[in-house]
Amino acid sequence: SAVISQKPSRDICQRGTSLTIQCQVDSQVTMMFWYRQQPGQSLTLIATANQGSEATYESGFVIDKFPISRPNLTFSTLTVSNMSPEDSSIYLCSGEGLEVDYGYTFGSGTRLTVV
Amino acid sequence: TQLLEQSPQFLSIQEGENLTVYCNSSSVFSSLQWYRQEPGEGPVLLVTVVTGGEVKKLKRLTFQFGDARKDSSLHITAAQPGDTGLYLCAGVRGAGNMLTFGGGTRLMVKP
Repeated sequence: SAVISQKPSRDICQRGTSLTIQCQVDSQVTMMFWYRQQPGQSLTLIATANQGSEATYESGFVIDKFPISRPNLTFSTLTVSNMSPEDSSIYLCSGEGLEVDYGYTFGSGTRLTVV
Repeated sequence: TQLLEQSPQFLSIQEGENLTVYCNSSSVFSSLQWYRQEPGEGPVLLVTVVTGGEVKKLKRLTFQFGDARKDSSLHITAAQPGDTGLYLCAGVRGAGNMLTFGGGTRLMVKP
């Protein structure tokens, strides 16, 4: 099955700064997704990233706060901008249909702490 | 309000016991997926159910998709400590095949 490498795995950042999270897929995928997750809780979709077009954001998430790049079919980045402690969370990327049974493959997540 | 209601939220049982996790919605999904997630890792797909009434078995895990494709259940027989984790159901719908996740069930199996 496909593998998504996500980095950094964790970071502690000062408020007001920005962090860029990278996801590299070992095969081409049309749609990639970015999620946010509080430890032990479910996933909330931030945005859908397609190559060659602007990302589509879910309600409550905006491009200025979470800019996304998708330069090709194997790579995407999510930036968390002007961070505040409320942004502390786990951020995960995923690719569509990379698994048998059309399941999604997920990166291992980035645990972000804003101090 | 969550589109997919998952229950229970937490479950702590002894090794050898059976359990069932439920995933319910008022919406119809083209398919439904179950994932298991361990701390520090991303969710890993367990199964996808597509057809209403479908039942799939994966060793001690049995997955069922409701006839109307609005609900699903996961039954674990003779739970083991290795089953401990966060179980997530996710409905697939729409042209973009986006996943909508349930609230998750945190399972702890004590030896």
